[in-house]
Amino acid sequence: NAGVTQTPKFRILKIGQSMTLQCTQDMNHNYMYWYRQDPGMGLKLIYYSVGAGITDKGEVPNGYNVSRSTTEDFPLRLELAAPSQTSVYFCASSSLGYEQYFGPGTRLTVT
Amino acid sequence: AQSVTQLDSHVSVSEGTPVLLRCNYSSSYSPSLFWYVQHPNKGLQLLLKYTSAATLVKGINGFEAEFKKSETSFHLTKPSAHMSDAAEYFCVVSDKDSGSGTYKYIFGTGTRLKVLA
Repeated sequence: NAGVTQTPKFRILKIGQSMTLQCTQDMNHNYMYWYRQDPGMGLKLIYYSVGAGITDKGEVPNGYNVSRSTTEDFPLRLELAAPSQTSVYFCASSSLGYEQYFGPGTRLTVT
Repeated sequence: AQSVTQLDSHVSVSEGTPVLLRCNYSSSYSPSLFWYVQHPNKGLQLLLKYTSAATLVKGINGFEAEFKKSETSFHLTKPSAHMSDAAEYFCVVSDKDSGSGTYKYIFGTGTRLKVLA
């Protein structure tokens, strides 16, 4: 099993550009999550999904969108990138309330 | 409402001495509790988990934690610190949201462990 994979690993965006961060899991987990981690800080939940076709906002959803058309994939879309979105983004998956499995992260810089 | 408090933002220990990272939680139901470790510029790795079985939980790399319901604590310990233990540690509680019925994960703010030679 590859677990949770994320692409790209690094990305530099100019202000106003858009991009999609990809996340795929091969563990057949229903729950998937997107977090951001700012330097020296903990994780903040952006969006989550409890199954294909079902998504909901976390604590910091502004400026982001998600979709969940399959169990495996949970892409995160950034529209009109802003410097405040410079962060490391982690995708995770879990089965119900059990442990989360994290991807390696995407380091995004917006300049 | 669920919450997690990591009582120390920074902990320094000498190599070979015991490690104690403290975590308190509040939860309405029967929670699951986890400790994750994050090495610099890396993702989060599960150290150990409590899911209502044995209250003393053993994890990887010699770490263990004890679930104490009466004290609402889940402190992480290791008998002897190694240089490679220097990292950020997160305590996490998983609980069922009473309104939506979905499971939510609440993260502590993290404890940075420094190991001195």
